Amino acid sequence: TQLLEQSPQFLSIQEGENLTVYCNSSSVFSSLQWYRQEPGEGPVLLVTVVTGGEVKKLKRLTFQFGDARKDSSLHITAAQPGDTGLYLCAGVKGYKLSFGAGTTVTVRA
Amino acid sequence: NAGVTQTPKFQVLKTGQSMTLQCAQDMNHNSMYWYRQDPGMGLRLIYYSASEGTTDKGEVPNGYNVSRLNKREFSLRLESAAPSQTSVYFCASRGGGDQETQYFGPGTRLLVL
Repeated sequence: TQLLEQSPQFLSIQEGENLTVYCNSSSVFSSLQWYRQEPGEGPVLLVTVVTGGEVKKLKRLTFQFGDARKDSSLHITAAQPGDTGLYLCAGVKGYKLSFGAGTTVTVRA
Repeated sequence: NAGVTQTPKFQVLKTGQSMTLQCAQDMNHNSMYWYRQDPGMGLRLIYYSASEGTTDKGEVPNGYNVSRLNKREFSLRLESAAPSQTSVYFCASRGGGDQETQYFGPGTRLLVL
């Protein structure tokens, strides 16, 4: 059983559309991280959110940490084909990270 | 600055064979990790080493052993490979603190026949 549940599992959209990926847990984390993974490579960190209610923006990507520090969302505005990839959330507790199963995003040109 | 390196990149084993996956990092990180990634299951922690000289089990340690050889190197050993261990294995390292980035290696693709 995954400690972190991500939804949806797959998302296919047209270029220019918006999308949101959700990451939910019943556990409280000291921080939450979002990673992006391309085929044949390891995950790469996009952002770390630490404070409950925190919102961080990275160009067209907006990340939000829930008030109770149990859940998070990733919103992409005007998606581009370069946004295609596997998006993983990870809850941080001490030395350990617990990963969600990931959301595969495909942006069609 | 190579980051996290893993060897080999690909490996095919027969059931019952043994092998060691090697991992090294040059970022002077204290913590190192081994994950496996299977379709639809994300990354699952096998073992981790919070600092040199210590190792701890993660979610799925059965069938694996690890050695933290020194601060740079953390190896994963399969003593008797099974088809269920067919997966992509990632090594990672991380500095201290809740906001620290975890850096991943390029992965080892293992097929057990």
